[in-house]
Amino acid sequence: GENVEQHPSTLSVQEGDSAVIKCTYSDSASNYFPWYKQELGKRPQLIIDIRSNVGEKKDQRIAVTLNKTAKHFSLHITETQPEDSAVYFCAATLGAGTALIFGKGTTLSVSS
Amino acid sequence: NAGVTQTPKFQVLKTGQSMTLQCAQDMNHNSMYWYRQDPGMGLRLIYYSASEGTTDKGEVPNGYNVSRLNKREFSLRLESAAPSQTSVYFCASSVGATGTTEAFFGQGTRLTVV
Repeated sequence: GENVEQHPSTLSVQEGDSAVIKCTYSDSASNYFPWYKQELGKRPQLIIDIRSNVGEKKDQRIAVTLNKTAKHFSLHITETQPEDSAVYFCAATLGAGTALIFGKGTTLSVSS
Repeated sequence: NAGVTQTPKFQVLKTGQSMTLQCAQDMNHNSMYWYRQDPGMGLRLIYYSASEGTTDKGEVPNGYNVSRLNKREFSLRLESAAPSQTSVYFCASSVGATGTTEAFFGQGTRLTVV
């Protein structure tokens, strides 16, 4: 089955710095790769996603890159702000669809 | 729109007791999922239902059963609760019949088994 590895588990940055979180997946049939943000005590919410036919996608300060050959994808947050502090999860589809398998999460702390 | 609604929000069970976690969505989504979240373990898939009338095992199905009652509702049952099932449980739904569209999560159920 699908296995999603996420690194690092914790990340501390200064406000204004960039943050990068990396994930690898095992199933070459996976075709959808979303990123979720979970604030303390809240539910996970989608922040950006990318499909297998696209190499990069950007939305304001957030970007995601995908390397299907190497089976890894990354989340890039530029100009970090304290409100970016949260747990971030990557995910990949189980095979070519059906359900999402999540990484173990990265706790991002942005200090001002 | 309420989105995805889970009941109850909190529950304490004694070892061996049974209970059902309820989940309902009002977005006319086809797929529904149950995840559990434990510290340092991320979100692990318990069961999912790609469409009404179908259910499949996820990563950690042991000790659980599910029912897709209709298109709106997907329940998770613990027949004989164990302390290892202490966790936060999230229900989610997505519009597609596959996992390739955004999953919307409920607010979670915090379950403690003593």
